[in-house]
Amino acid sequence: QKEVEQNSGPLSVPEGAIASLNCTYSDRGSQSFFWYRQYSGKSPELIMFIYSNGDKEDGRFTAQLNKASQYVSLLIRDSQPSDSATYLCAVKAGRRALTFGSGTRLQVQP
Amino acid sequence: DVKVTQSSRYLVKRTGEKVFLECVQDMDHENMFWYRQDPGLGLRLIYFSYDVKMKEKGDIPEGYSVSREKKERFSLILESASTNQTSMYLCASINGEDTQYFGPGTRLTVL
Repeated sequence: QKEVEQNSGPLSVPEGAIASLNCTYSDRGSQSFFWYRQYSGKSPELIMFIYSNGDKEDGRFTAQLNKASQYVSLLIRDSQPSDSATYLCAVKAGRRALTFGSGTRLQVQP
Repeated sequence: DVKVTQSSRYLVKRTGEKVFLECVQDMDHENMFWYRQDPGLGLRLIYFSYDVKMKEKGDIPEGYSVSREKKERFSLILESASTNQTSMYLCASINGEDTQYFGPGTRLTVL
């Protein structure tokens, strides 16, 4: 079992819709949770991080964390074609480096 | 603005060659990392370093070594490159708030 699981997609949503990206993790000791966006041929860039259970909002992005269910999600409201990218979920436990999922490819259709 | 730079964007080497990938960060971060990224496998940690001259193996260290002689520089070394090391290599550094910044990546092809 992978430590961080994501559906590879592609997830296709129409422009203006809400895109929901999901991630589960296996290490109950995980303390920090991150969402990165990666455009084709580019390196990942940080979108959001979340440490506590509940929701965290930043502009059109909302991260949701449920530690009991070992589940973290990213919602993108009013999706734009420029949001089309691969979204990587990452978790951190202790001093270890981030552990990444394989990513979900999002396609926003104009 | 944090900057992580890598010595090459694209590199082509032959099997058996010794390959050096350089990474430099300008924000005085203590923690630096090397990942490789392959389709369907995601980002996998090769080595990391928490301080100068300190290194720890990640999940896939075989065939690689690293060097951290100065705080700002973390080098990845392929002692004898093989075709299965063809990949995108990403360097990263991390600040005290756990925000990890990536370099632009080096796409290495081993022929």
